[in-house]
Amino acid sequence: NAGVTQTPKFRILKIGQSMTLQCAQDMNHNYMYWYRQDPGMGLKLIYYSVGAGITDKGEVPNGYNVSRSTTEDFPLRLELAAPSQTSVYFCASSYSPRGGRDTQYFGPGTRLTVL
Amino acid sequence: QKEVEQNSGPLSVPEGAIASLNCTYSDRGSQSFFWYRQYSGKSPELIMFIYSNGDKEDGRFTAQLNKASQYVSLLIRDSQPSDSATYLCAVHTTNFGNEKLTFGTGTRLTIIP
Repeated sequence: NAGVTQTPKFRILKIGQSMTLQCAQDMNHNYMYWYRQDPGMGLKLIYYSVGAGITDKGEVPNGYNVSRSTTEDFPLRLELAAPSQTSVYFCASSYSPRGGRDTQYFGPGTRLTVL
Repeated sequence: QKEVEQNSGPLSVPEGAIASLNCTYSDRGSQSFFWYRQYSGKSPELIMFIYSNGDKEDGRFTAQLNKASQYVSLLIRDSQPSDSATYLCAVHTTNFGNEKLTFGTGTRLTIIP
């Protein structure tokens, strides 16, 4: 199993550009999550999904959108990139509800810089 | 008050000594507690989880939970240079069916050879 994969690993965007961060898992997990991690800060939940076709906002959803058309894929869309979105983005998945008695498996991360 | 608080460090510990990492949380309804290790430039990986008051041991790692004091800690015995990383505390809470996992900002641990 590849686990959780993310592409790209690095990206530089100009202000106002858009892009999609890709995330896929091959563990047949129902639950998937997108976090951002700013330097010296903890992980902040952006969006999560409890299954194909079902998504919901986390703590910091503004400026982002998600979709979940399959169990495996959970892309994160940035529209009109802003410098405040410069961060490291982690995708994660778990078998059962987030934070429950089940570990979340993290992808390797995407380092995004908006200039 | 932050929901999950950790001392950011850095915490420096000599090789072979015990490293003690602490975490406090604000929501008394919190039920599950997790410790993640994150190496520089890498993603977090789960080390331990604990649900009940008391100690839970796994190899060189011991998690301690005191719900009355809203305090959870991680002890690392016989510290090795490979233990140098940032340790994230995460707390799970369920309120009216809404589940939430909140991460602390992490404690940076350095093991000195």
